[in-house]
Amino acid sequence: EDQVTQSPEALRLQEGESSSLNCSYTVSGLRGLFWYRQDPGKGPEFLFTLYSAGEEKEKERLKATLTKKESFLHITAPKPEDSATYLCAVQAPAAGNKLTFGGGTRVLVKP
Amino acid sequence: NAGVTQTPKFRVLKTGQSMTLLCAQDMNHEYMYWYRQDPGMGLRLIHYSVGEGTTAKGEVPDGYNVSRLKKQNFLLGLESAAPSQTSVYFCASRPSNQPQHFGDGTRLSIL
Repeated sequence: EDQVTQSPEALRLQEGESSSLNCSYTVSGLRGLFWYRQDPGKGPEFLFTLYSAGEEKEKERLKATLTKKESFLHITAPKPEDSATYLCAVQAPAAGNKLTFGGGTRVLVKP
Repeated sequence: NAGVTQTPKFRVLKTGQSMTLLCAQDMNHEYMYWYRQDPGMGLRLIHYSVGEGTTAKGEVPDGYNVSRLKKQNFLLGLESAAPSQTSVYFCASRPSNQPQHFGDGTRLSIL
């Protein structure tokens, strides 16, 4: 059974204080690892897809990395607008290439 | 989240009542998904469709039915609502080999 565990559950940062979010996973036949951002009252918004160990992707203050067992989302010099819940998901070949999600990390960036 | 529209946005039902949630996408996507999101449990797949006229069970299908008579619409039905079905429901769609796009959710309370 595919499993995704995210840590920490919540993170409070001061503006400019860099940090990292962890996503540990087990999956049979990884098709991709996805990061989404979710704002309160909204649906998840796609950020990145990583396909193989060693791959890295960046978008503004966010950088995602992937190993064979985990992924990290690094937030560099965060701003208050980076406050959101960040979701990690793995895609497997079964069930229409379904996504298995972790519980998310709630990030609050204080000015 | 342009492209995936969920109707209604909020609904309160009494135990035993039935209702249908509508998901509409205008991006000509083949794949569509219904998830529920509960505190501490992440997003869980209810049912999915790999194309018009096809549906399949996901991780938590009991108590729900779905239909995809038209490519752009994916309906989720609750035949006899139970308090355990109180949740936020998200629809997503995607084309082949691309990430899922999510709607903004339907908040459903069962009293």
